[in-house]
Amino acid sequence: NAGVMQNPRHLVRRRGQEARLRCSPMKGHSHVYWYRQLPEEGLKFMVYLQKENIIDESGMPKERFSAEFPKEGPSILRIQQVVRGDSAAYFCASSPPEGVWGEQYFGPGTRLTVT
Amino acid sequence: DQQVKQNSPSLSVQEGRISILNCDYTNSMFDYFLWYKKYPAEGPTFLISISSIKDKNEDGRFTVFLNKSAKHLSLHIVPSQPGDSAVYFCAASAGLLAGANNLFFGTGTRLTVIP
Repeated sequence: NAGVMQNPRHLVRRRGQEARLRCSPMKGHSHVYWYRQLPEEGLKFMVYLQKENIIDESGMPKERFSAEFPKEGPSILRIQQVVRGDSAAYFCASSPPEGVWGEQYFGPGTRLTVT
Repeated sequence: DQQVKQNSPSLSVQEGRISILNCDYTNSMFDYFLWYKKYPAEGPTFLISISSIKDKNEDGRFTVFLNKSAKHLSLHIVPSQPGDSAVYFCAASAGLLAGANNLFFGTGTRLTVIP
């Protein structure tokens, strides 16, 4: 059973460009979470999605950031008009609908560098 | 506002001895606590968890202790092994009570087990 997959693993964007980060949850998992880790900090929650629904986006910046989890295909975290402060590691996690509560399985992350 | 704090950024322990990692939290709504282990260039891996109705949970060499009155938890690893060398994150959520699924992470403690 493949784990959570994220691609690309590394992404370099110039200021003003768009960044698209993809996450494929573990098989059978219908809940997806996105977290951001800035240098020397812990992971910070951004958004929680179920298939075709955003459940909690309280950690998402109000502008430039969006997320989706379509019926088919991976979850996408999209950052428009990137700025240097967006440089971070972005982790996706998934959990099954009826799994051990709170236990989330993490992908390897996408390291975004904005030049 | 860091609601989960790990005040020791690093810890070194001799192989075979006990490792004790500490975590403090401020939000009294938190009712579920988890420890994750992270190797470089990988996502966090779930290690062990505890709900607020318990004060201890044990899984092999890993034991988590929860002191609700002090808003403090700790992870004990005994005996420590060189393969335990990693960054350990404490995480908390208010899910059981508030139905919130997002995790709040500490900033991590880098454990080095010296052979």
